[in-house]
Amino acid sequence: DVKVTQSSRYLVKRTGEKVFLECVQDMDHENMFWYRQDPGLGLRLIYFSYDVKMKEKGDIPEGYSVSREKKERFSLILESASTNQTSMYLCASSPPHSGNIQYFGAGTRLSVL
Amino acid sequence: QQQVKQSPQSLIVQKGGIPIINCAYENTAFDYFPWYQQFPGKGPALLIAIRPDVSEKKEGRFTISFNKSAKQFSLHIMDSQPGDSATYFCAARGSNYQLIWGAGTKLIIKP
Repeated sequence: DVKVTQSSRYLVKRTGEKVFLECVQDMDHENMFWYRQDPGLGLRLIYFSYDVKMKEKGDIPEGYSVSREKKERFSLILESASTNQTSMYLCASSPPHSGNIQYFGAGTRLSVL
Repeated sequence: QQQVKQSPQSLIVQKGGIPIINCAYENTAFDYFPWYQQFPGKGPALLIAIRPDVSEKKEGRFTISFNKSAKQFSLHIMDSQPGDSATYFCAARGSNYQLIWGAGTKLIIKP
């Protein structure tokens, strides 16, 4: 079974803090994604990566950055957390040239106070 | 053009009923239409998917109906059970293999 593991289920941070959300997948997938999930807005793509050290902006990249130093690990960074970044963050991975099946982690619920 | 519009936002159905969730799109370049199911505390998981050259696909109690000319597709759940209570997302795959997601439907099946 594919496993996508997000390091934290819940995080509480203060405005202005630098926040790291970690995601690890064990299926040697090339593609990895970071989404934000808010009620009534569905899943919005923040960043994605098709390979190590490669990153592409999604629909809402402002205020976020990412890092992919190893194939299995994709990190989302909030450089200076703000209250409007309070949300559920979902990481996903998929095989190359696909996008057919994305495998998701359980999510990290981030609260920025 | 890149949007997928999903309705309703929430739905309550009695056990045994047939909930129907609808999605509409504009971009005719979309070539793959999956549905994902998300239980509380979990990430979404692929439920069933269809390609635009097929008008219907069934997997167990779940059926996708696809109307290419109307650019609409829908999910039907036959003999719905309380265990089907979840949030359902439709999506469409674009030319760069990314998925464009609907806003989600929170489904509650009452015992």
